[in-house]
Order: sequence, then structure tokens, then C-alpha cells
Amino acid sequence: NAGVTQTPKFQVLKTGQSMTLQCAQDMNHEYMSWYRQDPGMGLRLIHYSVGAGITDQGEVPNGYNVSRSTTEDFPLRLLSAAPSQTSVYFCASESDSGGSGRLGGQFFGPGTRLTVL
Amino acid sequence: RKEVEQDPGPFNVPEGATVAFNCTYSNSASQSFFWYRQDCRKEPKLLMSVYSSGNEDGRFTAQLNRASQYISLLIRDSKLSDSATYLCVVRGTGGFKTIFGAGTRLFVKA
Repeated sequence: NAGVTQTPKFQVLKTGQSMTLQCAQDMNHEYMSWYRQDPGMGLRLIHYSVGAGITDQGEVPNGYNVSRSTTEDFPLRLLSAAPSQTSVYFCASESDSGGSGRLGGQFFGPGTRLTVL
Repeated sequence: RKEVEQDPGPFNVPEGATVAFNCTYSNSASQSFFWYRQDCRKEPKLLMSVYSSGNEDGRFTAQLNRASQYISLLIRDSKLSDSATYLCVVRGTGGFKTIFGAGTRLFVKA
């Protein structure tokens, strides 16, 4: 299993550009999330999904869109990049322990380092 | 007050030492608790869940104190490879509101 994969690893954008960060997992996990990590701060939840076709906002959703058309993929779209979106972005997936409702902890992808000039 | 607070450290300890980290949380309705470790410029990796009765995994012991709203992580017999940032994670009711602490940096020296 590859686990959680993210592309690209690095990206530089100009203010106003749009792009999509890709995330895929091959563990058949129901739950997927996007976080951003900034220096001196904990990871902050951007958007999450509890299954294909279902998404919801996290703590810092403004400026980002997501969709979940398949169990495996959960892309994050930056609509119009701003310097404040310079960050490291992590995608994560999680299982609910076979439908028990108990979430067992998240598996993270390697991250995308984004710089917006 | 932050929802999840950790001492940022750094903690500098010699190999073989025992080190303990605490993490406090503000929401008394929080349901699930985890410790992750994060190496420099890498993704967080799940270290262990924290259960009400406390739990142990080799050299690592996690405790939860609901009355005082804190969780702890104890590392015994520290190894050089334990050098990392340790993240406290608290999850609320309704399943998915997940709050990460900013992390505690640990350096283990030979």
C-alpha cells in the first residue's frame, strides 16, 4: 500500500493564480481531511469529508474548495492564491474501525509546501 | 486561551532519560485524544491513542486526566531516534472537530 500520497511536493504561485493540490489514499478509508501547518501553530483543519460525496468545512475554509467524488481522492482547490496561504498542506485519511464509530487516528501524506508570492 | 496547549520546549535530555510532556485542553466535552510525533519537515505520524484508563506501548505511556483536562506522554529510556516534535491532539463531540496542539520539541543527546 502506498498509504496517503500528495502531489505536488512543492509549488510556487503568484497572487491570484489558482491550483489544485492532489491527495489520494489506497486504504479504503472513509474519512479524509486537509490541514495547513504554519510555524509556531498547530495543524488547522481546512475541510474534511466523511465519505464520497460528503464534505464539510473545518476551522479555516475560506479561499479553499474541496470535492470527494471517489473514496480514494480528495483534491483541494485554491481559488485565487494569496500570500496568507503560504503554508505546508497535509492531507490525512482515517478509518472508523470497521463502522464502530470510533475513529482510530489519522494517516498523513508527506505534505505540499506552497509559497504564494 | 488556546483550545489545546502544550509547552513548546525544547526539552533537551540525555539518552536513557525519562521525559514527560503534558497537554491541557479547554473543552470538557472532548472525546478522543491522541499523541503524534512529527520529524523535521515530515508529516505527523500517529504515536498512540490515549484511553481513559491510560495505556502503554513499549517505552511510551499515555495518561488522561479528565478532571483536570490534561493528557500526558511519558517516554522512558529515551533514544536518539525519539528526537522529534510531539503533537497533542484532541477531538470533540460530533466526531470530527480535531484540534492539534502546536507541539513540544524534544532533543535527545548522546
